[in-house]
Amino acid sequence: KAGVTQTPRYLIKTRGQQVTLSCSPISGHRSVSWYQQTPGQGLQFLFEYFSETQRNKGNFPGRFSGRQFSNSRSEMNVSTLELGDSALYLCASRLSGASNEKLFFGSGTQLSVL
Amino acid sequence: EDQVTQSPEALRLQEGESSSLNCSYTVSGLRGLFWYRQDPGKGPEFLFTLYSAGEEKEKERLKATLTKKESFLHITAPKPEDSATYLCAVQAGNAGNMLTFGGGTRLMVKP
Repeated sequence: KAGVTQTPRYLIKTRGQQVTLSCSPISGHRSVSWYQQTPGQGLQFLFEYFSETQRNKGNFPGRFSGRQFSNSRSEMNVSTLELGDSALYLCASRLSGASNEKLFFGSGTQLSVL
Repeated sequence: EDQVTQSPEALRLQEGESSSLNCSYTVSGLRGLFWYRQDPGKGPEFLFTLYSAGEEKEKERLKATLTKKESFLHITAPKPEDSATYLCAVQAGNAGNMLTFGGGTRLMVKP
């Protein structure tokens, strides 16, 4: 069974640009969450989607947005990039979204903003 | 505000030298405490979930325990392949499925 797949693996952008990251969950998983990981702040929750609906949102500005498609694949978008957006963006999936289910993480997209 | 603090930030052990990692937390209504392992260049890998004080779980050389204020990850006779960053996270009663993570403990086991 394939794991959570994130593309691209690495991305370099300049300030002011926008970026779209993609996540394919484990087959059959319907819940997708996104986290940002930086050396200074650690892992921070961005948002969670279940059946194409956003269920939770973390404390990030509106420049960070996401969506989920009918096949459970998810994308997150960051507009007007800032230097501080440089981070590892991790996607995670779980089967039905119940809180006691394991969360499976992908290897992440490393975003560098110059 | 939910908070998770892990200590130490980094730990160096000799192969076979047992030790414990600490995770202190303050949370509104704990629904679950999670331990993950993260290797360089990879996403976190699930290890354990603990739900209530007094609960313990084991997997190979790892044992996780939970009290009302903290959790410990005990590593018995570690091997070099146990070297990784260990992350602790909590799920609060009023936060849906959001996990609040600690900063992690970077473990290095020397042969």
